[in-house]
Amino acid sequence: RKEVEQDPGPFNVPEGATVAFNCTYSNSASQSFFWYRQDCRKEPKLLMSVYSSGNEDGRFTAQLNRASQYISLLIRDSKLSDSATYLCAVNSRGNNNDMRFGAGTRLTVKP
Amino acid sequence: EPEVTQTPSHQVTQMGQEVILRCVPISNHLYFYWYRQILGQKVEFLVSFYNNEISEKSEIFDDQFSVERPDGSNFTLKIRSTKLEDSAMYFCASSELNRGLSPLHFGNGTRLTVT
Repeated sequence: RKEVEQDPGPFNVPEGATVAFNCTYSNSASQSFFWYRQDCRKEPKLLMSVYSSGNEDGRFTAQLNRASQYISLLIRDSKLSDSATYLCAVNSRGNNNDMRFGAGTRLTVKP
Repeated sequence: EPEVTQTPSHQVTQMGQEVILRCVPISNHLYFYWYRQILGQKVEFLVSFYNNEISEKSEIFDDQFSVERPDGSNFTLKIRSTKLEDSAMYFCASSELNRGLSPLHFGNGTRLTVT
């Protein structure tokens, strides 16, 4: 099983839609979880951390399910500018911050 | 906002040559990382570095690779004898802490092309 797995998509949605991505991880000892956004040929940029109790930042909501070892990202009211690849990142061991990335989910928001 | 800076933005080299990729991490960060991304593929971990030594390295980071923090600000990745398959985007990252919710901050990358 891969360390971090994501549905590659692509997800093509109209503006204003709600879209959700999932990411599963293999190491039950992982403690740190993040969502990054990557635009074409650019560096990953931190979108949000994922807290145990779930957290929200504007239109974005992140959830963690430790029992099933997955994290999710929900984007409400999609904007054209949300078009990007979304990467989940999970640390490789419980006591470090060496992050492993999923292959990313490509989102295209259309007018 | 402080940022990680990388130079050069693009490096073209011939197979078998040595290259050094440079990074200046965020000044109060203590943990440094190199990742690479082959075009169209995922971001892959290469190495992490703390307190002037390697903390962890992946199977990609073989004897051809080395890292160094030659002074108080730079963090370098050296590839001793480049191969065609080393062509990729190389990202440097830094973080303040090594645990908990201390995210990695990435530089804008060096595109390495090996011909």
